[in-house]
Amino acid sequence: AQSVTQLGSHVSVSEGALVLLRCNYSSSVPPYLFWYVQYPNQGLQLLLKYTSAATLVKGINGFEAEFKKSETSFHLTKPSAHMSDAAEYFCAVSDYQGGKLIFGQGTELSVKP
Amino acid sequence: SAVISQKPSRDICQRGTSLTIQCQVDSQVTMMFWYRQQPGQSLTLIATANQGSEATYESGFVIDKFPISRPNLTFSTLTVSNMSPEDSSIYLCSVTKSGRMNTEAFFGQGTRLTVV
Repeated sequence: AQSVTQLGSHVSVSEGALVLLRCNYSSSVPPYLFWYVQYPNQGLQLLLKYTSAATLVKGINGFEAEFKKSETSFHLTKPSAHMSDAAEYFCAVSDYQGGKLIFGQGTELSVKP
Repeated sequence: SAVISQKPSRDICQRGTSLTIQCQVDSQVTMMFWYRQQPGQSLTLIATANQGSEATYESGFVIDKFPISRPNLTFSTLTVSNMSPEDSSIYLCSVTKSGRMNTEAFFGQGTRLTVV
């Protein structure tokens, strides 16, 4: 069975500061990993995905994530936070591309001016 | 990409009634899924909608409560039956398309359901 754990339900950073959202996964097969963002009253938008190619994945809006198999982690980072980054972020795992997604609990990111 | 239209976008329903949510995609897709997002929580998969056959339900979800149809490759419905306040959630349709490049899951805007 697969599972995802996101450490920290709420993260607050200052504008311009580093954003780090943590995600650890459990999977019995090589995983496909995803980060989604959800703005208030909207659906989910894909930020980036890991599909067994490069371990450092770059996504939209300046976000990137690094797949670390030894640590079973897929943390999301952004060097400099912007006010528009305030949203809910979900890490998700799947056992194959196009398959069902198992989501983490979500992390709400707040950005202070 | 895939553009997903979900209807209704929101509804307030009386307990004991049923609501059918529609998911229309602008192109043929391989897989269609229905998720539930309870207030303040993450997304949980309800079922995989299979074209021309019965949906595949996840543990804790049953067909009598959440009947699903998928008559073709671009359309699916989810019915929430005999609703109770505990069914108040956002229900999201998701689709994936297999293509030459990597596959990506797309989500509709969701249906915000309140049961009173």
